[in-house]
Amino acid sequence: NAGVMQNPRHLVRRRGQEARLRCSPMKGHSHVYWYRQLPEEGLKFMVYLQKENIIDESGMPKERFSAEFPKEGPSILRIQQVVRGDSAAYFCASSQSSYNEQFFGPGTRLTVL
Amino acid sequence: EDKVVQSPLSLVVHEGDTVTLNCSYEVTNFRSLLWYKQEKKAPTFLFMLTSSGIEKKSGRLSSILDKKELFSILNITATQTGDSAIYLCAGTTNSGYALNFGKGTSLLVTP
Repeated sequence: NAGVMQNPRHLVRRRGQEARLRCSPMKGHSHVYWYRQLPEEGLKFMVYLQKENIIDESGMPKERFSAEFPKEGPSILRIQQVVRGDSAAYFCASSQSSYNEQFFGPGTRLTVL
Repeated sequence: EDKVVQSPLSLVVHEGDTVTLNCSYEVTNFRSLLWYKQEKKAPTFLFMLTSSGIEKKSGRLSSILDKKELFSILNITATQTGDSAIYLCAGTTNSGYALNFGKGTSLLVTP
């Protein structure tokens, strides 16, 4: 049973470019969460999605960031016009329900030059 | 604002020692507390605690929650070098989903 999968594992972008991060949840999980880990800081919640619905995006920056979880395919976290401050590790997690434990993917390490 | 505080921030022990990691929380409408182990990759789930005073155990690791005093401890007995990692604790609320993480305890086990 494959765990949570994320790709790419490493992503380098120049300032102003777009970054797309993908997350495939564990088999049987329909709840997806995105977290960001900035250097020297803890993991911070960004957004919670179920299939085709954003349930809570209270942790997302108001501009340039968006997330989706379409009926088919992986969840996507999209960052437009990246800036150096977006450099971080972005982790996706999934769970069977919103009350079950969350299992994390390996993360995408985004570097903005 | 909900807050999860872990102590110590870092710890160095010798193989075979027993360690206790602490996590205190101030979480409105608290529901559960979770422990994860993070090496150079994904945080790996260890325990989820919802009831006070009931110890959860997995091999050399065990954890317990005190809902009256608002803290949890993670014990590791007979430590091994493979236990070296950052240990994270996180609280959840009755809304169910977002994990509110502490900054972690960095554990180094030396041979």
